[in-house]
Amino acid sequence: EVQLVESGGGLVQPGRSLKLSCAASGFTFSNYYMAWVRQAPKKGLEWVATISTSGSRTYYPDSVKGRFTISRDNAKSSLYLQMNSLKSEDTATYYCARDFQPYNNYGWFAYWGQGTLVTVSS
Amino acid sequence: DIQMTQSPASLSASLGETVTIQCRASEDIYSGLAWYQQKPGKSPQLLIYGASSLQDGVPSRFSGSGSGTQYSLKISSMQTEDEGVYFCQQGLKYPLTFGSGTKLEIK
Repeated sequence: EVQLVESGGGLVQPGRSLKLSCAASGFTFSNYYMAWVRQAPKKGLEWVATISTSGSRTYYPDSVKGRFTISRDNAKSSLYLQMNSLKSEDTATYYCARDFQPYNNYGWFAYWGQGTLVTVSS
Repeated sequence: DIQMTQSPASLSASLGETVTIQCRASEDIYSGLAWYQQKPGKSPQLLIYGASSLQDGVPSRFSGSGSGTQYSLKISSMQTEDEGVYFCQQGLKYPLTFGSGTKLEIK
């Protein structure tokens, strides 16, 4: 069974940093593109970052580019999101998500974690 | 960036009724579209990919269609468990973008 378990969320002050983790199991982690998607309270979904199977390629929207860094450790089947210079508008539940099928970058997400809440507030 | 416009924002349907949700892309996305269902307090679930392919385990009353810039999700016979919010998403180009969602309720 595919499982994605996020951790690391919490309350953080504006301008500070936070690192999220996602532990994956039930599939060959190194074969899949992985992503982070967030959802502000009572709002829609916003894609945050994607990383290739090897970690050599990363993609971000302008809203987080330069502040967030996605990374992975295939030996540990783990995905990470380093978030720096946090703003109030980064307040959201952050989901770890697995791409649709192995090896290729489909950009659709067949599996999602339960999410971890990040609150940016003074 | 490709903008995804969903309609309606909300709707209510009776049990057994056919429901259709629309999604329009700001440019041709060549069927690079997915649909998700999200129930309260839960993570999104993939329903449809490639505009019309049903994800494994999803009931056959769900179907997707469309091409170019216009896409739709149809629920052929509304069930109580279909209540939730539905999102479309384009996977063709970065940045990946989602529609704003359609809240579906039982009438």
